[in-house]
Formats: sequence, C-alpha cells, structure tokens
Amino acid sequence: GAVVSQHPSWVICKSGTSVKIECRSLDFQATTMFWYRQFPKQSLMLMATSNEGSKATYEQGVEKDKFLINHASLTLSTLTVTSAHPEDSSFYICSARGGGAETQYFGPGTRLLVL
Amino acid sequence: GQQLNQSPQSMFIQEGEDVSMNCTSSSIFNTWLWYKQDPGEGPVLLIALYKAGELTSNGRLTAQFGITRKDSFLNISASIPSDVGIYFCAGQKNTGNQFYFGTGTSLTVIP
Repeated sequence: GAVVSQHPSWVICKSGTSVKIECRSLDFQATTMFWYRQFPKQSLMLMATSNEGSKATYEQGVEKDKFLINHASLTLSTLTVTSAHPEDSSFYICSARGGGAETQYFGPGTRLLVL
Repeated sequence: GQQLNQSPQSMFIQEGEDVSMNCTSSSIFNTWLWYKQDPGEGPVLLIALYKAGELTSNGRLTAQFGITRKDSFLNISASIPSDVGIYFCAGQKNTGNQFYFGTGTSLTVIP
C-alpha cells in the first residue's frame, strides 16, 4: 500500500516552455501533498504544501506564479513550471500524506532538464 | 526552513559491518521518519517513530526516537551491497505540520 506515482519521470524542454508534472496517490486518499526540489547530492527542499481543494502554501523564496500547484482531488496534485529556464533544471519529487498516518510517501521523482 | 543535521555525512564500510548514523535538531520533534533514497529515485520510507524512547526495527534496520526528542538514530546490522544509498531523517513538530528533512548520510558498502 501507500504508493505514489509521478508522471513524467523524465522531461526535456526548451527554455520558455511550461512543464506539468503529475503526482498521484494510487491506493489512498491524500489530504495533503508536498512538492520538493532536490539538487545533486543535496537534501530535499520543500517548495510548497497543498491541501485538496485549497490554495497551496509556498515556502519562502519559491515563486508561486512560476511554480503553479493544483490539488484538484484527493488523489492528484500537479506542479506546473511556467516559462521554464535552465536554472529550473532539477529533480522534482512529490509526497503524499493521508489515511490517518503521520507519514509521507514519496513519488519516484521527475527529472527536468531545460535546454 | 529548518534543517536537521545528520552525521556522518558519508560512510564507506565493508560488507558485513554494522552502521550507525544519527540526526539531531535544536527543536523538539514529535515524529521521526527515516528514508532511503537510491540515485534517481524518490525516498522510500524505512521506519516511522512516534514516541520518545521508542525503538523500532525493520529487518536489519533499527531506529530509535531520542529521549530528548531532539534526535534520532538509525542502525543497520550486517550491511550488504544493496544498502548503498542516501539515508534521510525527517522530523515533524506537531501532527499535521510539515516534515523537516536532514542533510542526508551517504552510505557506500564495499563488497
């Protein structure tokens, strides 16, 4: 149980385009989903927290107009990187919490490369 | 945001040896989680701790919730090559709040 999927796993795009990443909880309802960014050999950096049906809460320094988060249902959250630039290239990981447990289950991550 | 300090930063050990790593914070946490991350993958939950002093095992892994609630420890017994990866701790101050992640411990097991 507690499986979280992400799609796509890899994406390469041109500078200036927008990229959407999906995060799904497959076997439980996720009341809260989190989006992280991770640089090579570094820890996870929380970008934002999203609760189903409400606006996401962004961490300090994260541009909400650049990283659009939508949590439309209890099993799906999306992160859209708008007008992506090379410095946005990174490993983006989502996690989901739900089912009454105070734990977080992570997706497999999405590697974004902006050319 | 707050970050937890993990020690050691990296470890190189011989297969079969035991491993110990810890995670410390200046703040009190009520929940501790330990994850393992393989290259290019998302972290996988290993052990969850919910009570000060709690000692929980998962196979060859044992984790403890420190009495002060400001630290946690993870031990791996009889290491094997597939234990290679980065181990992260995560702490939560209150139910429903976000988890703060540690700086990570990179483990290399030499066959």
